[in-house]
Amino acid sequence: GGIITQTPKFLIGQEGQKLTLKCQQNFNHDTMYWYRQDSGKGLRLIYYSITENDLQKGDLSEGYDASREKKSSFSLTVTSAQKNEMAVFLCASSIDRAGQNTLYFGAGTRLSVL
Amino acid sequence: GDSVTQTEGQVALSEEDFLTIHCNYSASGYPALFWYVQYPGEGPQFLFRASRDKEKGSSRGFEATYDKGTTSFHLRKASVQESDSAVYYCACHDTNAYKVIFGKGTHLHVLP
Repeated sequence: GGIITQTPKFLIGQEGQKLTLKCQQNFNHDTMYWYRQDSGKGLRLIYYSITENDLQKGDLSEGYDASREKKSSFSLTVTSAQKNEMAVFLCASSIDRAGQNTLYFGAGTRLSVL
Repeated sequence: GDSVTQTEGQVALSEEDFLTIHCNYSASGYPALFWYVQYPGEGPQFLFRASRDKEKGSSRGFEATYDKGTTSFHLRKASVQESDSAVYYCACHDTNAYKVIFGKGTHLHVLP
């Protein structure tokens, strides 16, 4: 089996600050994802990457940057944290196999902005 | 674009009750459909999937049948337990092969 590790588990930032979230997977999966989870809104796709150095925007990419320098890692940057923002950011990976796309998730990074 | 609708935001049941959580999708062709479950403090976990009309997916006593005619994939369980309390997400494999679209989730509370 494999695991997805997200760091940090909790992140407290200041308004306007640039914040970086990291994700590592040892499944050897090609595709990785970042989702944002807000209460009552489900999971919304921010960015995904189908291979090393590839980046694809999701529906919620504004205000975020992403980086995939290695197959095993995928980082997300909040470019300017918004005051009172609270959300959970979930990283996931999947086997790059047509019609499969079962996602394996990390435990999440919980963001609070003061 | 493609979308997934879960009509129930919260469901409260007693142990041994029958569960139905409704899921409808909007997508062209035959997208793969999924159910995921999320326990407190954890990420969502894959429950099961189906990818053809009339195909039934199942796991841990939960099941759902792919219905192309009604564009539905409703989650059912005959007898829920307190340990089933969690958030359940329906998801659809977008026609863009790599995107997976999630519904807003249904929080299931099972009372002892």
